[in-house]
Amino acid sequence: QLHLQESGPGVVKPSETLSLSCSVSGGSISMNGYHWGWVRQPPGKGLEWIGTIFDSGVTSYSPSLKTRVTIFVDTCRNEFSLKLSSMTAADTAVYYCTRRRGASSLRDYWGQGILVTVSS
Amino acid sequence: QSALAQPASVSGSPEQSITISCTGTSSDIGPYNYVSWYQQHPGKAPQVIIYDVTNRPSGVSNRFSGSKSGNTASLTISGLQPEDEADYYCSSYTTSSTWVFGGGTKVTVL
Repeated sequence: QLHLQESGPGVVKPSETLSLSCSVSGGSISMNGYHWGWVRQPPGKGLEWIGTIFDSGVTSYSPSLKTRVTIFVDTCRNEFSLKLSSMTAADTAVYYCTRRRGASSLRDYWGQGILVTVSS
Repeated sequence: QSALAQPASVSGSPEQSITISCTGTSSDIGPYNYVSWYQQHPGKAPQVIIYDVTNRPSGVSNRFSGSKSGNTASLTISGLQPEDEADYYCSSYTTSSTWVFGGGTKVTVL
């Protein structure tokens, strides 16, 4: 059974860069046919797609975030990470890491989520 | 890209059927069968209940079903149960090779 677990700071100062990691256990992050990504949810609001890294290593990002976001994989540590620069209060949200099956809309595994608050 | 349009809330009595719509455009829902639906209980991570418009993952009740017509996808919950009270989100692939979610629908069991 696959398990995803987010880790990172709970509080980030305005203008700083957020760094989150998602540890994958119970399976290899290098398995073909699966893509890894991030979704966020501001308090009391809906889900927002942030971006995906494909099994090929190619990335795709939300148009509204693409100038500030980077997603990358560390196969040695079996984890993938998110960096989001120039944080503002509008980036306060629960951040989820996810796995999606390729050639499908099946986003079958989610982490429990981590609340990140932007505050000085 | 704009969020897919969902009704803010839908309610029904136990054992009734309800349908949640998810309206997009010819740039997202229309061209693809890559629509999924997620159920989210308070304080929990979303869980997929429908993918690729009509498919149910293993373990998901057959009371949940999905469909699509043109630029609108729909989720139907049959035989509504108290545990179905949750928020529901649709998601679609887009012609820009990105993904978009709906604004979410709160389902209340009366």
